[in-house]
This record gives sequence, C-alpha cells and structure tokens, in this order.
Amino acid sequence: SQELEQSPQSLIVQEGKNLTINCTSSKTLYGLYWYKQKYGEGLIFLMMLQKGGEEKSHEKITAKLDEKKQQSSLHITASQPSHAGIYLCGAAGSQGGSEKLVFGKGTKLTVNP
Amino acid sequence: GAVVSQHPSRVICKSGTSVKIECRSLDFQATTMFWYRQFPKQSLMLMATSNEGSKATYEQGVEKDKFLINHASLTLSTLTVTSAHPEDSSFYICSAQRPSGRVLFGYEQYFGPGTRLTVT
Repeated sequence: SQELEQSPQSLIVQEGKNLTINCTSSKTLYGLYWYKQKYGEGLIFLMMLQKGGEEKSHEKITAKLDEKKQQSSLHITASQPSHAGIYLCGAAGSQGGSEKLVFGKGTKLTVNP
Repeated sequence: GAVVSQHPSRVICKSGTSVKIECRSLDFQATTMFWYRQFPKQSLMLMATSNEGSKATYEQGVEKDKFLINHASLTLSTLTVTSAHPEDSSFYICSAQRPSGRVLFGYEQYFGPGTRLTVT
C-alpha cells in the first residue's frame, strides 16, 4: 500500500521566515493534495498537483510536484502567524475513478510573532 | 469553492447508544464521499468509501456492522456509529469528491469541518 512520509514532523519559525515542508511517496504519485488543518477542525484545501513537475502558488504558498522523485514540497514565503497549523499531504494511488486518499502524518507548523 | 458540511460538530453519547453523523455537499453533487477517522495528533485514516446508490466499501479492519454508511442522495452521506463504546471516541471527518475537469486526475476532494464524538 502507498505510504506518505512528511518531513519535518514539526517546525517552529519566526514570523517573516521562509520554510519548506516535504512529502515523499513510496509509490508513483498520480496526484498530490496539500491541506491545512487546525487541531480539531476540518481540512482546508490548499492545492492539488498533477503528475509531471507541476508547480502552483496561492498567496505566499507554493507547492511543487516532482514526479521522478515521488516527492512534493510546500514552501511558505515570509511566514505569518496565520500560517500556523498542521499541513497534510494526501495522495491518490491510482489514476481516475474514485480517489481514495492516503495521508501523511502531517507537519505541525508554529509561527512565532 | 466547494463546501462540505457536517452535523453535528460535537456529540457526547452514552456507551451502547447509536450516533448518526451527516455529511453534505452544499453546492455540488458528489457521487462519492469518504469517511475518515482521526485520533489525537495522528493523521487521517480512511474508514470507507461511500457511493451514492450502492453499498459502501470499507477499508480493512473497519467493522461494517458497527459503522453503517448510507449515501442516500448525491449530496448526503451518513455515518452511524452503532452501539458506541469509549474506544469509538474520535474525530470523524468526511470528504466529498467532485470532478475537477482534468484529464489525468479527474477529481478534487473537499472536506467537512469534522465531528468530535465522545462516548462516556
């Protein structure tokens, strides 16, 4: 079965600093989701990446998918306290059809003002 | 963006009772919804895939008789935890799938806000 490993598990940064979170898959990524979750709440959809080196940006968050490395990275520029939360990557293990997602364990981000 | 709601957001019930959780896609039709469970400080674990008009598909290790899923319409799926016990206390999250219009990757998933179940 597919497994996703996220690194680091937790991250504490000072406001204004840049940071990167990585997500590595044990199998081919047909698509990769990034979500943000605050403890005890639902997931907020950030971005979805398809196969093939896609890169997307939304405000100060940029996500990239490197198909060859079976890896995705999420980069936050000039972090703010509002970026704090748990970031989860989720992957669909097959192309088309119902997209069951497998999730990584998450990266807890703390941004100190 | 797509909106998915869950009701209730929190529920406390006594051991042995049953609890129903609703998941609704508010502005799109979802032929497929998913139910996840999340324990404190852990990631989401897929419990089952809910398909409109057919039986749910359960993941290995999930008791189908305990976690009853009904996907009665294109906008509503329900999860009933039957004869709940304290070990069923958890955070339950649903997601609804809708086509993204892409060729390679056909779907996007949107999540509800979750339901915290506490069984006493």
